[in-house]
Amino acid sequence: GENVEQHPSTLSVQEGDSAVIKCTYSDSASNYFPWYKQELGKGPQLIIDIRSNVGEKKDQRIAVTLNKTAKHFSLHITETQPEDSAVYFCAASNNAGNMLTFGGGTRLMVKP
Amino acid sequence: EPEVTQTPSHQVTQMGQEVILRCVPISNHLYFYWYRQILGQKVEFLVSFYNNEISEKSEIFDDQFSVERPDGSNFTLKIRSTKLEDSAMYFCASSEELRTGYTFGSGTRLTVV
Repeated sequence: GENVEQHPSTLSVQEGDSAVIKCTYSDSASNYFPWYKQELGKGPQLIIDIRSNVGEKKDQRIAVTLNKTAKHFSLHITETQPEDSAVYFCAASNNAGNMLTFGGGTRLMVKP
Repeated sequence: EPEVTQTPSHQVTQMGQEVILRCVPISNHLYFYWYRQILGQKVEFLVSFYNNEISEKSEIFDDQFSVERPDGSNFTLKIRSTKLEDSAMYFCASSEELRTGYTFGSGTRLTVV
């Protein structure tokens, strides 16, 4: 089955700096890659997703890139703000399954 | 903004007891899911549900687990005889389309003692 690895597990940045979180996946059939943000006491919230027919997608300060050949995808947050502090999860899925396989999560801390 | 609602937020139960975790998915969503997260570990898929039947389940979802949509609004996860290792945060999610655009609830923290 699919295996998703996520790095780093913790990331501390200064407000205004950029943050990059990286994930790799094992199943070449995976074609849908969402990113979730989880704040304390809440469920994961979808922040951006990308499909395998696209190499990059951007939404304001958040962007995701996908390299299908290398089987990795990354989340980029620019101009970080304290409210970006949360746990971020990547995930992967393919057409054959009804499930998402999650990475282990990255705790992002943005210091004011 | 529409929400997925889960109750209770925290449940403590004795080992061997049955528990029912409740979820109210978003009203126009057709696909429903349960995931769990043991403390410090990854979010793991349990089961997906569509058209009143299970569409996929993981190895974790053994005979101790069952899901039901008893009426038009609720979606429940039942654990028949809880074990210590069932202690985890259980998340319900729903989506309009298959696999994509999930909305997660805030979770139920289950503690088995």
